[in-house]
Parts: sequence; C-alpha cells; structure tokens
Amino acid sequence: EAGVAQSPRYKIIEKRQSVAFWCNPISGHATLYWYQQILGQGPKLLIQFQNNGVVDDSQLPKDRFSAERLKGVDSTLKIQPAKLEDSAVYLCASSSYQGPDTEAFFGQGTRLTVV
Amino acid sequence: ILNVEQSPQSLHVQEGDSTNFTCSFPSSNFYALHWYRWETAKSPEALFVMTLNGDEKKKGRISATLNTKEGYSYLYIKGSQPEDSATYLCAFINNAGNMLTFGGGTRLMVKP
Repeated sequence: EAGVAQSPRYKIIEKRQSVAFWCNPISGHATLYWYQQILGQGPKLLIQFQNNGVVDDSQLPKDRFSAERLKGVDSTLKIQPAKLEDSAVYLCASSSYQGPDTEAFFGQGTRLTVV
Repeated sequence: ILNVEQSPQSLHVQEGDSTNFTCSFPSSNFYALHWYRWETAKSPEALFVMTLNGDEKKKGRISATLNTKEGYSYLYIKGSQPEDSATYLCAFINNAGNMLTFGGGTRLMVKP
C-alpha cells in the first residue's frame, strides 16, 4: 500500500513569514496526527484528527499554528507567523486505529528551518 | 501531559556488541506501548506494539519486553550491526484514547 505522503521535504523561511505543510495519509485511515520533532527531543503531538474532527489539539500553539483536515482525508498544517523556535521536523502519521495494538504509519517529514 | 522517558539519550557501540535501552512510562491507565525505529532521512517505522504485561516480542535480532505494573519496557539488540544505527522511539498510549505520547528517543550508533 502507498505510504503517508508529505510535502515539501525541506523548507527554509525567514522569521515572521508563513508556511504550510501538506499530508496525504494512507487511504482509509481515519486517524491523522501532526507531530513536531525538535532536534534532540522526541516527537511532540500537535494535533490529532479522527476523520475531519479534532480529537486533541492541546499542545498546538493556536496563536500561530492552525491545521485542517477537510473531507477527512488530506491535511494541512500552517504556521503564521513563524518564529525561530519553530525550526523542527514536522511529521504526519496516520492510523486505521482498530485498537491499542494498531500501529501508526509515518511520512518522511518536512524539515523546517526558520532563519 | 504524560511523562515518557527513554535512556540513554545516545549510545555508541561496536559492531557485534549487544545493547539495550529503556522506556519508562506511567504505570496507571496503561493501554499500549509502541517501539519505532527512525533512520536518518526516512520515516519512523513500527518495530513492536505491546499491550500485555509480561509481553515479549522478537523480530530478528531485536526483541522487547514489557512490564506494565512498574512502567517500563526494554528493547534489546543482539549483535549490533551498522544498519541498526537509528533513533529508537517508544510511544505510550493510555486508556483515555489513541494518542501516542513519545519519549525523547535513544540514538544508537554502531561502528563497524
């Protein structure tokens, strides 16, 4: 089966600019996650969708980050305006979630550098 | 926010050495523990998904154990090879939902 697709792979922007990332999950996967992984740390959940509804966005900095999953398939994550500390790898993952033993499948991530 | 910790943060071993890492997680409200391997420039991929106390799982030279009562899991690699070099992540799911909470990872480097 095709994996989780993310684009772009790399992005360099100046602080205060805007940026958007795109994720196409595995077909049929209802659950979609966006994670932020800062160098030297583990991935931090930003937002979790179940179909097109938000399950958890408690760690999403809502003053500058937004995410949507229209039609319950593709998702976009936006940062506006970006700060230096947003430099990280942004990972998208999807899962069919049929129980606690259901693994999540990850994309290759988007590496964002804010200068 | 759940506290999931991994140790050590990084590890350098020689080819052929056996090694192990630890993942600590809250022992209450346990639902599942996932182990992922993340190689540079690739996607994290699942190694094991563990749900039962006392579970032991094995895939080739890699195995994992789970103790839900004391809140830890060990990942073992027997006879490390350079291709095992990666970051190993554990992720905890509590019984409140299907949210994966990751530890900080253990970065393994195997020297030929």
